[in-house]
Amino acid sequence: QSALTQPASVSGSPGQSITISCTGTTSDVDNYDFVSWYQQHPGKAPKLLIYDVTKRPSGVSLRFSGSKSGNTASLTISGLQAEDEADYYCSSYTDISTSVLLGGGTKLTVL
Amino acid sequence: EVQLVESGGGLAQPGRSLRLSCTASGFTFGDYTLTWVRQAPGKGLEWVALIRGKGFGMTTDYAASVKGRFTISRDDSKSVAYLHMDNLKSEDTAVYYCARGPGFCIGGVCHREYYLDYWGQGTVVTVSS
Repeated sequence: QSALTQPASVSGSPGQSITISCTGTTSDVDNYDFVSWYQQHPGKAPKLLIYDVTKRPSGVSLRFSGSKSGNTASLTISGLQAEDEADYYCSSYTDISTSVLLGGGTKLTVL
Repeated sequence: EVQLVESGGGLAQPGRSLRLSCTASGFTFGDYTLTWVRQAPGKGLEWVALIRGKGFGMTTDYAASVKGRFTISRDDSKSVAYLHMDNLKSEDTAVYYCARGPGFCIGGVCHREYYLDYWGQGTVVTVSS
């Protein structure tokens, strides 16, 4: 069982906005602004979408945004497109180990 | 352009060994932490191990599921990171990705970043008799 909890699946129609949640604890998400998000298309390598809760690497669409409230971080995708259909993973720094903490992943379906 | 290329995957019998390589280009390899992440068929991502650069003392960390069986190392002169896997089990069957990060040291200044910014395409490891 992953230390960060994500919904197994979310869906939305083209043009809509969706939000994927990532719930942690006071050892990670709640007390540290070091949440990152990754996108993975089937058969492909993961790609960094968001780091440090809200920052986007160069080249990542403005449609992707991150936020955090308490022990829950969120990834919002606005103006959904068919190409956004993928798996999304959150990750966070944790103060109880030196490992990389990952969520279980969320499958996004664009209807 | 930053590139990470994994190799060395294949079919291995339970109890045998394999060594994976991650060859990097496009950045100063020795400055960065390198991480291995795996993905079992139909499952999510699982962190496996990481090795920090010289600036962080080249220390290593392992997931509990592989500690004592897997060894991560690096050869900065060749820009290659390795994952030596001993006593393989069927549950080690997965695509293994190497990724850059988290964290790096440049010019004596170390940055404790907490994300993986570049990933390789992965190499497939199948453990079966």
